[in-house]
Amino acid sequence: GDSVTQMEGPVTLSEEAFLTINCTYTATGYPSLFWYVQYPGEGLQLLLKATKADDKGSNKGFEATYRKETTSFHLEKGSVQVSDSAVYFCALSEGGGSNYKLTFGKGTLLTVNP
Amino acid sequence: EPEVTQTPSHQVTQMGQEVILRCVPISNHLYFYWYRQILGQKVEFLVSFYNNEISEKSEIFDDQFSVERPDGSNFTLKIRSTKLEDSAMYFCASSANLGWRQPQHFGDGTRLSIL
Repeated sequence: GDSVTQMEGPVTLSEEAFLTINCTYTATGYPSLFWYVQYPGEGLQLLLKATKADDKGSNKGFEATYRKETTSFHLEKGSVQVSDSAVYFCALSEGGGSNYKLTFGKGTLLTVNP
Repeated sequence: EPEVTQTPSHQVTQMGQEVILRCVPISNHLYFYWYRQILGQKVEFLVSFYNNEISEKSEIFDDQFSVERPDGSNFTLKIRSTKLEDSAMYFCASSANLGWRQPQHFGDGTRLSIL
């Protein structure tokens, strides 16, 4: 079945540091890929997405490129802020008919210190 | 921006009791989902719902669980006889009718605590 493997946390960075959170996937077909973010005490918010190979999703300074050849969708940000502290989930969606469930990775806790 | 709303935000229930978690999806969305997240673990798919019927359910979604869209706006998850291991955060999500490329929009979740 489909699965998502992402970098184990926690990740602790200083403000303005470069961030990479690795994500790789296995899928039977051609999935769409997503990054969701969960701020403390809140629900899941879509951060960015990519739906085909070489697509780059971007939002709020975060970027991730859909790499079909390496089955990866790594999240990057050039300069993190304290407000980026959250749990980040990589996810994929694949299906047909009327089923498009998301398969999530385990999540990576990011803490950014001032 | 339209959003998915869930009530209550926190539900405390005695083991063996029935509980109903409520969700109001985004109004023009047609696909609905429930997920759960046990504390410290990954978000897990429970069930998807389209056209007034279940599209797919996971092995977690046993006979104790049911879903319903009673009135065209609400989407509910019922757990008939709760167990301690049902304690988790339950998320409702919805998406528009564009299939697997369309992202799912999540509510803030209901924290269910079984005593």
